[in-house]
Amino acid sequence: DTGVSQNPRHKITKRGQNVTFRCDPISEHNRLYWYRQTLGQGPEFLTYFQNEAQLEKSRLLSDRFSAERPKGSFSTLEIQRTEQGDSAMYLCASSLTGKGDGYTFGSGTRLTVV
Amino acid sequence: GIQVEQSPPDLILQEGANSTLRCNFSDSVNNLQWFHQNPWGQLINLFYIPSGTKQNGRLSATTVATERYSLLYISSSQTTDSGVYFCAVVPRGSNYKLTFGKGTLLTVNP
Repeated sequence: DTGVSQNPRHKITKRGQNVTFRCDPISEHNRLYWYRQTLGQGPEFLTYFQNEAQLEKSRLLSDRFSAERPKGSFSTLEIQRTEQGDSAMYLCASSLTGKGDGYTFGSGTRLTVV
Repeated sequence: GIQVEQSPPDLILQEGANSTLRCNFSDSVNNLQWFHQNPWGQLINLFYIPSGTKQNGRLSATTVATERYSLLYISSSQTTDSGVYFCAVVPRGSNYKLTFGKGTLLTVNP
């Protein structure tokens, strides 16, 4: 068990470009979550997968955002036509249904849009 | 939705001091976790504690679910304890969505 892995750790991009982040959850975890954290705030929920099914998307997730979890393993979060307001830490977490130890978070991807 | 309030928002301690952080929540919960966010942004899971008391070394936590609050105790604080401490809950009726408080920024000075 190597924990939740996120890549890249940091991404600087120009406004208007597309970016993609990857999350590898703990292998036996069937649930995967994406959160976004801006400076001075707690993380906010973006979306949730149970296995490969995306079961909920927050209203924070505009049409420019898309997330996938093919085959119920790793997940990708893509942001199209990035805006300066997208600058934030993007956090991935995973958990196992019925196992009472909660969420495990990755180290996050810090996005800066210039 | 559920409200999660943490206090104090900021706390400055001298190394060796003890502290108590509080988390109040506005509705019944299925899950409550305490996290420590280090300066690099990593959220470290300290406790999964929807009710009862747990201890791990110098840290302990108590959740009184019927009164809708949780406390995190840090004893003999060290400079490495510095960072932001978050309380997060999953409301009853939702079995997955964590809602975070705004956190407590702890600074431990040598």
